[in-house]
Amino acid sequence: GAGVSQSPSNKVTEKGKDVELRCDPISGHTALYWYRQRLGQGLEFLIYFQGNSAPDKSGLPSDRFSAERTGESVSTLTIQRTQQEDSAVYLCASSLHWTRYEQYFGPGTRLTVT
Amino acid sequence: QKEVEQNSGPLSVPEGAIASLNCTYSDRGSQSFFWYRQYSGKSPELIMFIYSNGDKEDGRFTAQLNKASQYVSLLIRDSQPSDSATYLCAVNMVVNSGGYQKVTFGTGTKLQVIP
Repeated sequence: GAGVSQSPSNKVTEKGKDVELRCDPISGHTALYWYRQRLGQGLEFLIYFQGNSAPDKSGLPSDRFSAERTGESVSTLTIQRTQQEDSAVYLCASSLHWTRYEQYFGPGTRLTVT
Repeated sequence: QKEVEQNSGPLSVPEGAIASLNCTYSDRGSQSFFWYRQYSGKSPELIMFIYSNGDKEDGRFTAQLNKASQYVSLLIRDSQPSDSATYLCAVNMVVNSGGYQKVTFGTGTKLQVIP
């Protein structure tokens, strides 16, 4: 079956612009997670959705970051007024339910802020 | 104190040898443990999960869990150059403020299999 998909795969933007990153979870997966991975670094948790509610937004680094999810489907991560330190790979993962911890990752979006 | 700790490596092993990757975690209440493989420039891929003390084998991979010692390991037998990657340990942990559990990832161990 289809895995987690993310778009775009690469995004280059100028400092100060807004960007939207999209994630399509595996069909039937109700939990969805966003992570950030800077070059050579580990995974940094950003936000988690169960259905379309976000019980844990603790990882969002600043109020420039926000995320939404439509039902148990697509999620969008928005970064406003991008900064160079936002350059990273943004990874989305989904799991069957928040009590099922096996997460399956998408290919990621590589964001470069110039 | 880091919640999930791994040696960053690199761990170098010759082809055909056993690679042993280790992970310790801080939450005694953790029940679910995962190993992910991440090739350079790629996203993490789930390769093993283990919930009970002891060993779990899948092909050349064996996950070992010791909850009393708060220790989980991954053994790779007959290591191949294609096993060269970063291996991430992940553990579910209680998030007290949210009243739920979430998976916390270690920073990973880089494995190099030398032909």
